[in-house]
Amino acid sequence: DSGVTQTPKHLITATGQRVTLRCSPRSGDLSVYWYQQSLDQGLQFLIQYYNGEERAKGNILERFSAQQFPDLHSELNLSSLELGDSALYFCASSVGWGGLAEAFFGQGTRLTVV
Amino acid sequence: GQQLNQSPQSMFIQEGEDVSMNCTSSSIFNTWLWYKQDPGEGPVLLIALYKAGELTSNGRLTAQFGITRKDSFLNISASIPSDVGIYFCAGHSGGGADGLTFGKGTHLIIQP
Repeated sequence: DSGVTQTPKHLITATGQRVTLRCSPRSGDLSVYWYQQSLDQGLQFLIQYYNGEERAKGNILERFSAQQFPDLHSELNLSSLELGDSALYFCASSVGWGGLAEAFFGQGTRLTVV
Repeated sequence: GQQLNQSPQSMFIQEGEDVSMNCTSSSIFNTWLWYKQDPGEGPVLLIALYKAGELTSNGRLTAQFGITRKDSFLNISASIPSDVGIYFCAGHSGGGADGLTFGKGTHLIIQP
């Protein structure tokens, strides 16, 4: 158990809909990262938050957004969903950012868009 | 963007054999990490490397940070059935806040 908690574990929704994925980082970790894992693209970095502020953006679509709350949990919002958004979405957390790269991953949310 | 080339894509080995996999990059990384992912689970950190030339072990696993900072390898000695899974290398360029760049993974299959 990495200490990172993601909910829900599975999500099935229709195209055009909006969903919210939730992540609670390990106790004491201030950074939260979101990753997308698909068969063709592998693990892709989406976005990072540190202590409530956005720190870095990766390959995140404009239809996707995230935020980190004062209690440090984070939510990833996916809207206007398309079939191609079906993937595993992972949250990871670490103590710091930048040089402190040891990120610990949650079990992921499997999103299926039908 | 940065890309990591991980090889081999898959490996079929006998229990007890040693395993070697590697990652190369066209750009420099300041940190190399190796993760293992089991079906239905998130990646689990195996080894972290922070200095060029560094050789680090974790039980039967040994990983090295290449001198050029553009490559890393992972060795597993005397493989056992629970080593089955997908192994990912990941690099971090450092110097600021950003995420990890992952390789496509090496799928390790142990034949009975």
